[in-house]
Amino acid sequence: QITLKESGPALVKPTQTLTLTCTFSGFSLNTPGVGVDWIRQPPGKALEWLALIYWDDDRRFSPSLRGRLSITRDTSKNQVVLTMTNMAPVDTATYYCARSAYEYGDLPDSWGQGTLVTVSS
Amino acid sequence: QSALSQPASVSGSPGQSITISCTAANYDVGAYNLVSWYQQHPGKAPRLMIYEANKRPSGISDRFSGSQSGSTASLTISRLHPEDEADYYCCSYAGRGRMFGGGTKVTVL
Repeated sequence: QITLKESGPALVKPTQTLTLTCTFSGFSLNTPGVGVDWIRQPPGKALEWLALIYWDDDRRFSPSLRGRLSITRDTSKNQVVLTMTNMAPVDTATYYCARSAYEYGDLPDSWGQGTLVTVSS
Repeated sequence: QSALSQPASVSGSPGQSITISCTAANYDVGAYNLVSWYQQHPGKAPRLMIYEANKRPSGISDRFSGSQSGSTASLTISRLHPEDEADYYCCSYAGRGRMFGGGTKVTVL
């Protein structure tokens, strides 16, 4: 059974850096064809893809947020960490991590429950 | 503004069929055959319904089907059930990353 769970602060202040951790089980980020995505969803709005890290450490980012994002992995802990700098109120959203795998078309298949992050002073 | 365009809303009565479209503005969705569809109920995480344009993951009802033609992918829900009322999103490749459509709210009348 594949599970993913996001963790991090529920509240951050404007200009601060957000660090979110995705802890997963049921798959390995050492397996070829596997990746972990981060996706967010502002309240009442659509999903927005943020970043992706693959089994081979290939990293990809949303062009609109590229300069603010970093993504790393710790395969020994089964964790992926997303960092977003210079947070603003418009970044208030539920942040999801999700697994991608070639067997499912290399797009997200299993999702975490999401974590709501509010940006406010 | 999303480069994957979906209708904002679609509705149908129980037992009817509805189709949601997903049109790529700048590239041929069909060229890659790699479109996924997700269902999202309020307050819940998205759930994969269709991958690679027309494949269903294990456990997904055969009432859900996908297709594609040129720059447009489609999700059809047959024999609508009340529990199908949800938001639906398409997703595809965009450059070196991914992109989601703007979402379609499905209402079961």
